[in-house]
Amino acid sequence: AQSVTQPDIHITVSEGASLELRCNYSYGATPYLFWYVQSPGQGLQLLLKYFSGDTLVQGIKGFEAEFKRSQSSFNLRKPSVHWSDAAEYFCAVGMFSGGYNKLIFGAGTRLAVHP
Amino acid sequence: DVKVTQSSRYLVKRTGEKVFLECVQDMDHENMFWYRQDPGLGLRLIYFSYDVKMKEKGDIPEGYSVSREKKERFSLILESASTNQTSMYLCASRTGTNSPLHFGNGTRLTVT
Repeated sequence: AQSVTQPDIHITVSEGASLELRCNYSYGATPYLFWYVQSPGQGLQLLLKYFSGDTLVQGIKGFEAEFKRSQSSFNLRKPSVHWSDAAEYFCAVGMFSGGYNKLIFGAGTRLAVHP
Repeated sequence: DVKVTQSSRYLVKRTGEKVFLECVQDMDHENMFWYRQDPGLGLRLIYFSYDVKMKEKGDIPEGYSVSREKKERFSLILESASTNQTSMYLCASRTGTNSPLHFGNGTRLTVT
């Protein structure tokens, strides 16, 4: 079945530390890949996307993600986390399913940042 | 900048009431979506629309219906609200297939 997995429900890091949020998907073809961030009480904001080409993509707020086809992964990284990065992060994968192109979301990873 | 506006941030309704959640986008987007967000489950697609007067069921359509009479407006309807429909509801729009979604700020619905 087509699915998106974010293995980590909660992650806590210290301010200034590096960050990696994991995302794995199950899909037979090459997907379209997205990372979104949701601050408390807000909708989701696009951080970055991958459609084709260079497998390392840069996004807003200093985030980057790398597509690894062999591992069916699209992990999000940031070299130095800021307190304002505390939020919930969602990986999403564009798949053709049920006759339509749909965006399927992972369950999310909630990031806490210690000062 | 794309703006997706959901008419209510918070709603409290009683079991059995008919509930309307309204969503308007200002960028002439073809596609519009309604998602439900619950802790630990991420976002689940309720209904979507690729054009005016067109609607398609998503993954969890039971207990919901939608209306899209105008391109900019996509309404979610709970015909008879139940307590298990207490959730955060997110509306989104996009220009076309596999382009990024633009989200509203959500409506937190409580059914008592």
